[in-house]
Amino acid sequence: AQTVTQSQPEMSVQEAETVTLSCTYDTSENNYYLFWYKQPPSRQMILVIRQEAYKQQNATENRFSVNFQKAAKSFSLKISDSQLGDTAMYFCAFMKQLDGTALIFGKGTTLSVSS
Amino acid sequence: DTGVSQNPRHKITKRGQNVTFRCDPISEHNRLYWYRQTLGQGPEFLTYFQNEAQLEKSRLLSDRFSAERPKGSFSTLEIQRTEQGDSAMYLCASSGSGPSYNEQFFGPGTRLTVL
Repeated sequence: AQTVTQSQPEMSVQEAETVTLSCTYDTSENNYYLFWYKQPPSRQMILVIRQEAYKQQNATENRFSVNFQKAAKSFSLKISDSQLGDTAMYFCAFMKQLDGTALIFGKGTTLSVSS
Repeated sequence: DTGVSQNPRHKITKRGQNVTFRCDPISEHNRLYWYRQTLGQGPEFLTYFQNEAQLEKSRLLSDRFSAERPKGSFSTLEIQRTEQGDSAMYLCASSGSGPSYNEQFFGPGTRLTVL
């Protein structure tokens, strides 16, 4: 069975600074996807960034980038130039590379960005 | 609004009562997922539909839970004889086919409180 571990329950950062959220996972699969989802307070979950395991290049989306270390089964999220709107719960999630399988989520990291 | 919608947004019920939630996915999406999220935790998978077929059910989905997607469009999740342990946020997500099939779009959730 696959597991996803987020070891940082809470983190805080000042506006404009950079913060890194950690995620490790365990799987025997070779092909899979990894995701970071953002859940703002009282708002719905949205996808931040996605990584295919077969791609060596780390995914980037504007201020968001990942450090994917397949051998170490590590998938961290770096947020650059943090903004107040980045305040949210962030979930790391795993999906097998099969059509229509479920996401397996970590417990999440609450990120607070202050001015 | 072309996103995933869920109704009701909040439901308070007494222990032992039955409740039903509805999810309307993004119109062209053929895959629909139900997750449960308790406070401070990540979402946990409950069940998955492809069109009207229920293809996967989690062990979390006890006999008191039933989900349907009769015409391959909206879905309902019913909980019979509710228990206090059923109190949670119930999330619905949908995804399409093609290159982005692995991206799940989430609805705002239905928060259930069982007294």
